[in-house]
Amino acid sequence: EVQLLESGGGLVQPGGSLRLSCAASGFTFNTYAMSWVRQAPGKGLEWVSAISGSGGSTYNADSVKGRFTISRDNSKNTLYLQMNSLRAEDTAVYYCAKDKTTWNDVPWSFECWGQGTLVTVSS
Amino acid sequence: DIQMTQSPSSLSASVGDRVTITCQASQDISNYLNWYQQKPGKAPKLLIYGASNLESGVPSRFSGSGSGTAFTLTISSLQPDDISTYYCQQHDNLPRTFGQGTKVEIK
Repeated sequence: EVQLLESGGGLVQPGGSLRLSCAASGFTFNTYAMSWVRQAPGKGLEWVSAISGSGGSTYNADSVKGRFTISRDNSKNTLYLQMNSLRAEDTAVYYCAKDKTTWNDVPWSFECWGQGTLVTVSS
Repeated sequence: DIQMTQSPSSLSASVGDRVTITCQASQDISNYLNWYQQKPGKAPKLLIYGASNLESGVPSRFSGSGSGTAFTLTISSLQPDDISTYYCQQHDNLPRTFGQGTKVEIK
């Protein structure tokens, strides 16, 4: 059974940093592209970042470019999101999500999701 | 960026009703379109991929259709368990973008 378990969320001041983790199990982690998708309170879904299975290619939404960095450690089956220069508008539940199809450089879909971790940016 | 526009934003229907949600893409995305269901407080769930392919385990009352710029999610007979918000998402281009969501309630 595929499982994705996010951690690392919390309350941080504007301008601060936070690193999210997503521990994956139940599938061959290094063959799937992975993404971070966020949802601000009461709002819709926003794709944030994606990374290929090897980790060699990364992609970011314009809203986080230069501030967020996605990475993965395939030896630990773990996905990360380093978030710097956080803003109030980054407040959201952050989900990690697995692509449906193997070997895509960029995810086509978000087949499996974690339970999410809440990031609150406030002074 | 490709804009995805869903309509309606919300709807109220009776159990057993046929429900249709539409999703319009701002440019041709072929069939690179997925649908998700999100229940309150839960993570989204993939329902339909490639515009019309039912994800494993999803009830057959759900179906998807369309190509190019116009897409439809249909629930053939609305059930109480279908109370959710539904999102479309394109994977033709980066950034991956979602529709704003359609909230489905029981009348």
